[in-house]
Amino acid sequence: QVQLQQSGPGLVKPSQTLSVTCVISGDTVSSNIAAWNWVRVRQSPSRGLEWLGRTFYRSQWDHDYAPSLGSRITINADTSKNQFSLHLTSVTPEDTAIYYCARARVTGLAFDVWGQGTVVTVAS
Amino acid sequence: DIVMTQSPLFLPVFPGESASISCRSSRSLLHTNGYDYLDWYLQKPGQSPQLLISVGSTRASGVPDRFRGSGSGTDFTLKISRVEAEDVGIYYCMQALQTPYTFGQGTKLEIK
Repeated sequence: QVQLQQSGPGLVKPSQTLSVTCVISGDTVSSNIAAWNWVRVRQSPSRGLEWLGRTFYRSQWDHDYAPSLGSRITINADTSKNQFSLHLTSVTPEDTAIYYCARARVTGLAFDVWGQGTVVTVAS
Repeated sequence: DIVMTQSPLFLPVFPGESASISCRSSRSLLHTNGYDYLDWYLQKPGQSPQLLISVGSTRASGVPDRFRGSGSGTDFTLKISRVEAEDVGIYYCMQALQTPYTFGQGTKLEIK
């Protein structure tokens, strides 16, 4: 079955770049129908789920990002490693959260597979 | 952005009772293909979110039939029959009609 395995640093200093990677097994990042998403949940104060963005391949790579993140976010894919990554620049303590990767088996449909989550704390 | 509003935000339930969660969107989630792009997720304590219901009413694989999604357009409901202890967690609705995808605030279900 499809599995997503996340990795990334637990602690990032303010103003630096947060990077989290999601390795895919059982599917292909360059699938012509799936989309690969990032979602986070900030803990303090307790907030709900927040969609950050996605990447997908349809004869070329495309992506959509949450406007709230402006130009700080990049999501890219590495086909040689069958993985995709989230990069968030100029982080502040407001970016402290659990970050999840998730697959939409068909672009536009629900997230049917999730990674285990990566706790990221932004602090000096 | 499409705004998603859930109610209630806190839902204490006795085991065996039924529970309902409402989700309203600021615009219709009905796609031209006839499906409502509204999904329900459950995040159990300490776990990643899991898909319960997609396109308004389709249960995900392995989800018990105690969970039922209904509604169309802007008004949706998740009903849980015969609530069990394993159902505790935070329930979210999410619209997948257009990016940015947006979630409701979450409804925390607790067992009395």
